[in-house]
Amino acid sequence: GAGVSQSPSNKVTEKGKDVELRCDPISGHTALYWYRQRLGQGLEFLIYFQGNSAPDKSGLPSDRFSAERTGESVSTLTIQRTQQEDSAVYLCASSFSGVEQFFGPGTRLTVL
Amino acid sequence: AQSVTQPDIHITVSEGASLELRCNYSYGATPYLFWYVQSPGQGLQLLLKYFSGDTLVQGIKGFEAEFKRSQSSFNLRKPSVHWSDAAEYFCAVGPLIQGAQKLVFGQGTRLTINP
Repeated sequence: GAGVSQSPSNKVTEKGKDVELRCDPISGHTALYWYRQRLGQGLEFLIYFQGNSAPDKSGLPSDRFSAERTGESVSTLTIQRTQQEDSAVYLCASSFSGVEQFFGPGTRLTVL
Repeated sequence: AQSVTQPDIHITVSEGASLELRCNYSYGATPYLFWYVQSPGQGLQLLLKYFSGDTLVQGIKGFEAEFKRSQSSFNLRKPSVHWSDAAEYFCAVGPLIQGAQKLVFGQGTRLTINP
């Protein structure tokens, strides 16, 4: 079966522009997570969705970041008015059991 | 607050040599512990996990890890590394209760293999 997919794989944008990153989780996985990985760093938790519960947004770094999920399907992470410090790889993961997470290949965002 | 420390940023070993990557965590109770591997340009792949029970866990690709509660450690080992093991390795800790699932990751250890 297909794994977690993310698009685009690479995104270059200009400072101040908005970007949307997409994640398609594994079918049947109820939980979906977004992480950010800055160059040479570990992963930082951003947000997580679990079924119909309210998302846990505690990791979002500013109000320029938001995410939506349609049911138990795709999710979109939106970054408004991008800044150079937003440059990173954004990783999406999904899980069924709630603990073991399966990761996508990531979207590399470069803000010029 | 939960935290994970991987003391070694970069390790170089020769092919065929043994490997140990260190991981120390801070958590209020027995956590779920994970090791992930990230090859260049790839997403993260789960190597192994510890939830409870036997403190020595076996994973994929010949890796194992041992949970030591007294040392708050979960070190990753492999008896004989292969050139294909060159990658970035991340230790992560998750919550005990399955309702909340924010993984906290260490900063990673980059493994280089000498031929």
